[in-house]
Amino acid sequence: EDQVTQSPEALRLQEGESSSLNCSYTVSGLRGLFWYRQDPGKGPEFLFTLYSAGEEKEKERLKATLTKKESFLHITAPKPEDSATYLCAVPANAGGTSYGKLTFGQGTILTVHP
Amino acid sequence: EAQVTQNPRYLITVTGKKLTVTCSQNMNHEYMSWYRQDPGLGLRQIYYSMNVEVTDKGDVPEGYKVSRKEKRNFPLILESPSPNQTSLYFCASSFQPTGKAFFGQGTRLTVV
Repeated sequence: EDQVTQSPEALRLQEGESSSLNCSYTVSGLRGLFWYRQDPGKGPEFLFTLYSAGEEKEKERLKATLTKKESFLHITAPKPEDSATYLCAVPANAGGTSYGKLTFGQGTILTVHP
Repeated sequence: EAQVTQNPRYLITVTGKKLTVTCSQNMNHEYMSWYRQDPGLGLRQIYYSMNVEVTDKGDVPEGYKVSRKEKRNFPLILESPSPNQTSLYFCASSFQPTGKAFFGQGTRLTVV
């Protein structure tokens, strides 16, 4: 069974204090790993897709990286507006019968204080 | 504007009273999916659809039904809601399961 585990559950940072969020996954035949941002009371918003180990993608203060077992979301010099829940997700193994299944991690709640 | 629209946004109902939550997308996406989100459990997939008339179970399908008669619509049906279905529900669409997904604004359901 595919599993996605995110850590920490919650992270409190001071403005400008860089840190990283972790997403560990177990799925054979990775078809991609997604990062989403979710603000309270709203639907998740797409950030990145990573497809192979060693790949990196950046957007403003965020950089996502991928290894064979985990992904990191690095936040450089965060601002209060970066406060949100960050979710990662992986689709099911392409060789299985549940081609359309998508498994999300439980999320990391990030709070950035001014 | 590309969007996924869910209705209603808020719903309070009683146990056993059938209800439908609608979901519509305007991006011609083939793949659509329903999730529920509960504190401490994250987003869990209920059902998904690869295309018209093609649906399959996600991780928590018990107590739910779906249909996909048109490409743009993917309603979620609770034929006999129970209090343990009280949750925040999201619909999402994308061209394929490995693509960028667009989420609706959510439906907060309370079953009393």
